[in-house]
Amino acid sequence: DTAVSQTPKYLVTQMGNDKSIKCEQNLGHDTMYWYKQDSKKFLKIMFSYNNKELIINETVPNRFSPKSPDKAHLNLHINSLELGDSAVYFCASSPVGSSYNSPLHFGNGTRLTVT
Amino acid sequence: AQTVTQSQPEMSVQEAETVTLSCTYDTSESDYYLFWYKQPPSRQMILVIRQEAYKQQNATENRFSVNFQKAAKSFSLKISDSQLGDAAMYFCAYGTLRFGAGTRLTVKP
Repeated sequence: DTAVSQTPKYLVTQMGNDKSIKCEQNLGHDTMYWYKQDSKKFLKIMFSYNNKELIINETVPNRFSPKSPDKAHLNLHINSLELGDSAVYFCASSPVGSSYNSPLHFGNGTRLTVT
Repeated sequence: AQTVTQSQPEMSVQEAETVTLSCTYDTSESDYYLFWYKQPPSRQMILVIRQEAYKQQNATENRFSVNFQKAAKSFSLKISDSQLGDAAMYFCAYGTLRFGAGTRLTVKP
């Protein structure tokens, strides 16, 4: 059983389109995250949710909107896609407790290519 | 704000030998956790080892160990008896918030 699964694995779309990436975890974790890994492999946190509540919102354009329907799911919707949004997006989860001291369990990533 | 620095963009090691990857960080907190993650070509991010700042003893996981120097804010990863499967990008992380730029490790047969 996959612990953290995200779909799709690859996403190719044109500038201006709106797209969503879905993430689900079956580990029973309370905290979920979205990270962006750019072409230079630099990994940066975007959002964090704890039990469906937003607790971290880094400096991310408001074209990016996370949604957590329940604590096992955290989806990422991106409006008006731009070339600079091309990256690998990772979903992750961590166990109950402070989100800063828990090891992360990552999904396999979604490679988004905007043309 | 916390920062994490990995000063070695690339490292290489001969199979069966030992290699050390460097990481320094900056924080004003006294209690925190540090992690090393591995990202092989498959793209999957995998936890390698973690260190709790209030523990003086360095963490070890089989062939992986850390040298944690809290005063110097240094957190290096030592890989002993390197194997071909260790070839990957290695990321140092401060909690869940900050990652270093990564070190690409090549293992030569």
